[in-house]
Amino acid sequence: DIQMTQSPSTLSASVGDRVTITCRASQSISSWLAWYQQKPGKAPILLISKASNLESGVPSRFSGSGSGTHFTLTISSLQPDDFATYYCQQYNSFSPYSFGPGTKVEIK
Amino acid sequence: QVQLQESGPGLVKPSQTLSLTCTVSGGSINSGNFYWSWIRQTAGKGLECVGRIYIDGSTNYNPSLESRITISIEPSKNQFSLRLTSVTAADTAVYYCARGLGYSNSWYPLWGQGTLVTVSS
Repeated sequence: DIQMTQSPSTLSASVGDRVTITCRASQSISSWLAWYQQKPGKAPILLISKASNLESGVPSRFSGSGSGTHFTLTISSLQPDDFATYYCQQYNSFSPYSFGPGTKVEIK
Repeated sequence: QVQLQESGPGLVKPSQTLSLTCTVSGGSINSGNFYWSWIRQTAGKGLECVGRIYIDGSTNYNPSLESRITISIEPSKNQFSLRLTSVTAADTAVYYCARGLGYSNSWYPLWGQGTLVTVSS
């Protein structure tokens, strides 16, 4: 199984801040990584696929980068709607696909 | 646009079978190249891929659950289903159905709203 880790687990930030979340895979997954945003009581929403491809309709302040085992999600200027929990997911192989434990972005 | 909706009992007794159905609306489950998937979320283990099925009936299951799960598809009803046998409290979770692209490397652009299933006597 491929294990995913994320850091930090919680992030306190203010509106307008630049925020970076890190995701690491236990083995190389090439660029087969997605990022999701989840708010309480709601299903996850896809933000980015293939490490850096922004999903249609997702604001351009979100960006993703990385390959191999190290990936980042950056929010260039945090907006009130962005306070949520963010998950990475590897889909390199269905062994099964696995998610990171999440990073909660909260208001400072 | 295509939407997914989970349905099924919210409470299941230990050792019994959990059965959930996902109804696809706004499009045919037969059309396109997609995997139809089940994902669950618990407070303890987070998000976990349960399994998936392709329109030809081929399946991939989470090895940790493989002995207990069956995913099936009913194109005539535009539905796919999950059966999980011999449930315990550890199977208490929000269960999501989701659609992934039908390639070996597939992410999840589309999710249902999720349904909470509690395992308790």
